[in-house]
Amino acid sequence: DAGVIQSPRHEVTEMGQEVTLRCKPISGHDYLFWYRQTMMRGLELLIYFNNNVPIDDSGMPEDRFSAKMPNASFSTLKIQPSEPRDSAVYFCACRGGRETQYFGPGTRLLVL
Amino acid sequence: KQEVTQIPAALSVPEGENLVLNCSFTDSAIYNLQWFRQDPGKGLTSLLLIQSSQREQTSGRLNASLDKSSGRSTLYIAASQPGDSATYLCAVRQGKTSYDKVIFGPGTSLSVIP
Repeated sequence: DAGVIQSPRHEVTEMGQEVTLRCKPISGHDYLFWYRQTMMRGLELLIYFNNNVPIDDSGMPEDRFSAKMPNASFSTLKIQPSEPRDSAVYFCACRGGRETQYFGPGTRLLVL
Repeated sequence: KQEVTQIPAALSVPEGENLVLNCSFTDSAIYNLQWFRQDPGKGLTSLLLIQSSQREQTSGRLNASLDKSSGRSTLYIAASQPGDSATYLCAVRQGKTSYDKVIFGPGTSLSVIP
């Protein structure tokens, strides 16, 4: 198994542009989580899905952020329009029958 | 609201030393606690998971303990090696329902000097 796959690994964009982050979870894992990590705030949960359905999006900072999971093997996190304060590392993680979450390598986003 | 803290924020030790990392949480009514390792530029890797009914878990040179009543967990690393250098995060899960979130601590950055 290739583990959790995230793309792109690095993204540099200008303020106001739309950013789309992608995640392919481990096959068979029915929970998917999106996290954001910064030096100031640490690791924050943005949103999570169970069986492709959003369960809790209370961590999404504002309406500029949206996430979808159209099927069990794919999820996107979109920021529109992006701002410099959105610069962070965004992680996707998944969980199956066991308790452990498996993390992807992250997408390092820089908004200029 | 559950808050998770970790002390120290950073730690530097010579190779071969035994060391302890600390994690504290404010609400003792947890379901489980996990310790993760994060290497620079990488995602998190789960090291140990302790259920609320357990007192400790061991994996190789790692031993994690849990004292739920006092809201504390420790990660003990024996005979530290330079390859142990990483950031270690603890995370607590509040409840046993499928919808309960995991709250992460800020992490302890460990450097093992050869």
